[in-house]
Amino acid sequence: GAVVSQHPSWVICKSGTSVKIECRSLDFQATTMFWYRQFPKQSLMLMATSNEGSKATYEQGVEKDKFLINHASLTLSTLTVTSAHPEDSSFYICSARPLGTLVVDTQYFGPGTRLTVL
Amino acid sequence: GESVGLHLPTLSVQEGDNSIINCAYSNSASDYFIWYKQESGKGPQFIIDIRSNMDKRQGQRVTVLLNKTVKHLSLQIAATQPGDSAVYFCAETSYNQGGKLIFGQGTELSVKP
Repeated sequence: GAVVSQHPSWVICKSGTSVKIECRSLDFQATTMFWYRQFPKQSLMLMATSNEGSKATYEQGVEKDKFLINHASLTLSTLTVTSAHPEDSSFYICSARPLGTLVVDTQYFGPGTRLTVL
Repeated sequence: GESVGLHLPTLSVQEGDNSIINCAYSNSASDYFIWYKQESGKGPQFIIDIRSNMDKRQGQRVTVLLNKTVKHLSLQIAATQPGDSAVYFCAETSYNQGGKLIFGQGTELSVKP
């Protein structure tokens, strides 16, 4: 149980285009999902916290107009990288906290999406 | 923000030996700590967790130790196997932070057969 999927697993796009990444909790409902970015040989950096039915909360330094997050249902959150540029190339990972669990409790991570912007 | 030019600390061990991976966490108010394993090109995989009211917890072949006095966390892997080769991250969180995870730097474990 507790499986999180991401789609696509990898994407290559041209500079200036927008890319949407989906994060789905497959066998549980999640009121809260998190989006992380990871550069090569570095740690995961939290970008934003996504709560179902409300606006996402972005970490300091993350442009909310560039990284659009939508959490329309208890099983789906999307991250759209708008007007992508080569510096946005990274590994994007989501996690989900199951409905009914404690605030400080296990999050389940997706497999990640590799974004390459040419 | 991101740091440029970082190199992950690396731990190299012989198959069958025990491994100890260390982590210094940042927030003395953190309530909950987790160790994750990340293989190349994949998302983090939960290994073991520990709450702040404990100082030791054991799982299958793994043990986590928590020293709140010096804000130190360690992961011990017994009888390390080639399949244990990966990057290991510690993460901390607290109620005050709404459960947001703060990840440590990570350590790359390499197991030699």
